Amino acid sequence: DAKTTQPPSMDCAEGRAANLPCNHSTISGNEYVYWYRQIHSQGPQYIIHGLKNNETNEMASLIITEDRKSSTLILPHATLRDTAVYYCIVRVGGGAQKLVFGQGTRLTINP
Amino acid sequence: DAGVIQSPRHEVTEMGQEVTLRCKPISGHDYLFWYRQTMMRGLELLIYFNNNVPIDDSGMPEDRFSAKMPNASFSTLKIQPSEPRDSAVYFCASSLGGGVRNQPQHFGDGTRLSIL
Repeated sequence: DAKTTQPPSMDCAEGRAANLPCNHSTISGNEYVYWYRQIHSQGPQYIIHGLKNNETNEMASLIITEDRKSSTLILPHATLRDTAVYYCIVRVGGGAQKLVFGQGTRLTINP
Repeated sequence: DAGVIQSPRHEVTEMGQEVTLRCKPISGHDYLFWYRQTMMRGLELLIYFNNNVPIDDSGMPEDRFSAKMPNASFSTLKIQPSEPRDSAVYFCASSLGGGVRNQPQHFGDGTRLSIL
């Protein structure tokens, strides 16, 4: 699975959009981009995933660049409860289901 | 609907004792995963099962660790004998695998294990 690079920490004001970047320059054509987050003392929580098209669900939007070498997770109206560590993971679709977690981005939402 | 259920939530025991962690996956899910999280190493995959069969146990640290899945609704992770360096939070996750849509993994709230 391709390696990902994320900033170690970010801050965002409550009510603003939080934009979390992820670089995955070695991604291959059959690899998906997944985002999970981990709120303190809880298990990781799935947010969203995509292959090459932008995706949106009730939690967030995922923007993947045309060359697929980077992506951005967008939380449109961040709340204090969005404070968490956010993990960007790239892995092959189908078959094996392994997730390899990096260090992630610690996002702090400030009041 | 019930998510992944792990027990116990907390376990404190002395070095050398046997520890058994339990997991009930989401009904209908055919993949089950065991992860360990420490400050030093982050989240690591230990082992995963597909249809109750272990598929990849390359993350299991050593022979003191063993995992079983006797049926589709129950799995155990056992450490015998336990050592202080096994102290960590252990997570279980399950997913509905296969197909094109790549279903996500759903995690339990973990077992916080402390070995004294």
